Amino acid sequence: GESVGLHLPTLSVQEGDNSIINCAYSNSASDYFIWYKQESGKGPQFIIDIRSNMDKRQGQRVTVLLNKTVKHLSLQIAATQPGDSAVYFCAENMKSYIPTFGRGTSLIVHP
Amino acid sequence: GAGVSQSPSNKVTEKGKDVELRCDPISGHTALYWYRQSLGQGLEFLIYFQGNSAPDKSGLPSDRFSAERTGGSVSTLTIQRTQQEDSAVYLCASSLISGVQETQYFGPGTRLLVL
Repeated sequence: GESVGLHLPTLSVQEGDNSIINCAYSNSASDYFIWYKQESGKGPQFIIDIRSNMDKRQGQRVTVLLNKTVKHLSLQIAATQPGDSAVYFCAENMKSYIPTFGRGTSLIVHP
Repeated sequence: GAGVSQSPSNKVTEKGKDVELRCDPISGHTALYWYRQSLGQGLEFLIYFQGNSAPDKSGLPSDRFSAERTGGSVSTLTIQRTQQEDSAVYLCASSLISGVQETQYFGPGTRLLVL
């Protein structure tokens, strides 16, 4: 999702619910995508990645879905926990060592 | 092992002063990146080092910004004559090698405030 001004899109969920965070990427030639988690006061942390020849990839409690037709990426977090509260952002890479990062979505998990 | 470290964690300076930000990458990582993150914004690429190759400086916003990497390890980002718009979080990342699908490991960042 995109945001206006300084405010990031925010997703609020209850602990135990599943969360879905969306990302629209810009370049149809991008062939590698990464999701990062950034907690307050910390640097981004790699969560999961996916190559353009895949539609889905699963990790521990997380799943990334890639829809190349509409240039859309999503991150699904199962059984969301308070420790999942953070800003999540996607990055796309087009045959370059420098990814393009999105602005992020703030996930708030209520106990 | 130790991750990427950055210092200082916070820096407050006056407009017009010079600042130096330091990054210690993960030992053995040959690629090092500097990014800038402004409030509510994505990461903005600044500069990239790979081994002994000439750095990619294409993201530096002005000639007030410079960076060096000594001995293929520690890197310093220098901002001369700081301006208020330089206020941001400066993030350093390293990866084992350079490549499209190489995972970048980020440091905690330096929060710079220019008054």
